[in-house]
Amino acid sequence: DAGVIQSPRHEVTEMGQEVTLRCKPISGHDYLFWYRQTMMRGLELLIYFNNNVPIDDSGMPEDRFSAKMPNASFSTLKIQPSEPRDSAVYFCASSLQRVSYNEQFFGPGTRLTVL
Amino acid sequence: EDKVVQSPLSLVVHEGDTVTLNCSYEVTNFRSLLWYKQEKKAPTFLFMLTSSGIEKKSGRLSSILDKKELFSILNITATQTGDSAVYLCAVPEEGNNDMRFGAGTRLTVKP
Repeated sequence: DAGVIQSPRHEVTEMGQEVTLRCKPISGHDYLFWYRQTMMRGLELLIYFNNNVPIDDSGMPEDRFSAKMPNASFSTLKIQPSEPRDSAVYFCASSLQRVSYNEQFFGPGTRLTVL
Repeated sequence: EDKVVQSPLSLVVHEGDTVTLNCSYEVTNFRSLLWYKQEKKAPTFLFMLTSSGIEKKSGRLSSILDKKELFSILNITATQTGDSAVYLCAVPEEGNNDMRFGAGTRLTVKP
């Protein structure tokens, strides 16, 4: 398995533009997580899905952020309109349905810069 | 509010030194604690700890959990420059499947 795949790896955009980040989880994993990492705030959970259903989006900063998971192999995180303070590395992670707690496997991240 | 606190935030050592990284936590209904290593890219999994006093070991890295005092340590012996990274501690929050991460310890190993 290629692991969690994210695209693009780097995105530079101007304030006000729409940004869409993509994630393909590891095949067979039931959970998908979106994280944001900045120097100031560290690694923060934005939202996670179980079997394609959003379970907890309390970490989503504001209405400009939205996430979807139309099927088990694909998820998007959209920012519209983007702002400079959204600049961060966005990680997607996936994990198995668990009886006991299992590790999350992280994708390589998307480095977003909003000018 | 559940929280995870790591210390020190930053550490600079020389090759061959031994380091100890700390992670304290306050979470309701503790289940497990995880350590990750993050270099330039995504965090990679190191250890998962669920029981007190049982050391997990992988090469020069080892970790142990104290559920009574609510902390874990990550030890790295005979450090190498390749150990330079941010080490993250994470604890699942009660009632859901997400994780609360500490701020991380940035370890720099100089030749």
